[in-house]
Amino acid sequence: DTEVTQTPKHLVMGMTNKKSLKCEQHMGHRAMYWYKQKAKKPPELMFVYSYEKLSINESVPSRFSPECPNSSLLNLHLHALQPEDSALYLCASSQGQGATYEQYFGPGTRLTVT
Amino acid sequence: DAKTTQPNSMESNEEEPVHLPCNHSTISGTDYIHWYRQLPSQGPEYVIHGLTSNVNNRMASLAIAEDRKSSTLILHRATLRDAAVYYCILRGLYNFNKFYFGSGTKLNVKP
Repeated sequence: DTEVTQTPKHLVMGMTNKKSLKCEQHMGHRAMYWYKQKAKKPPELMFVYSYEKLSINESVPSRFSPECPNSSLLNLHLHALQPEDSALYLCASSQGQGATYEQYFGPGTRLTVT
Repeated sequence: DAKTTQPNSMESNEEEPVHLPCNHSTISGTDYIHWYRQLPSQGPEYVIHGLTSNVNNRMASLAIAEDRKSSTLILHRATLRDAAVYYCILRGLYNFNKFYFGSGTKLNVKP
């Protein structure tokens, strides 16, 4: 199974709402990633987890809060978002963080903030 | 961080070879060259990666210049399903945590 799943596929939320995005992989990968992708732009790295510990935070605003409850799951908790946070949120995983490892991406969650 | 430069778009005919170039003039000796592609409405997909030598896999070939300042992704016979945005990315051996996508090349394949 080489699949990364993400739920929900689409999410519409108001600026005062709290919601969560979920990502799951069962490939035994120990590194997991969150990316943000705006329309017609390349993905931008947000967070990296390695062995369930936060390894990289690319200066992401605190209204985005990642969580890695176990080696298969990655969550992104959303609170008090702005309309400019509307984007495709991609999750990825890899066997390790090394430069030779390929990343497997999920299909993404399309988020709209109203 | 080392950056990559790619043409915004390219066009190819179906069943013909496609050569997608990437310039990375500031590459360091320990940077790996990765290629990913993103089909419409999908997440990115790994294509191939290499360090110094040319690489082949079932999807594509990667030709790396001798001075490593440029590389070319080769699709041997383009199909309509290969229409996607192709990203060339550098990943440092000692700074591997970071994974920056360049602007990418949008490949259009004509039947």
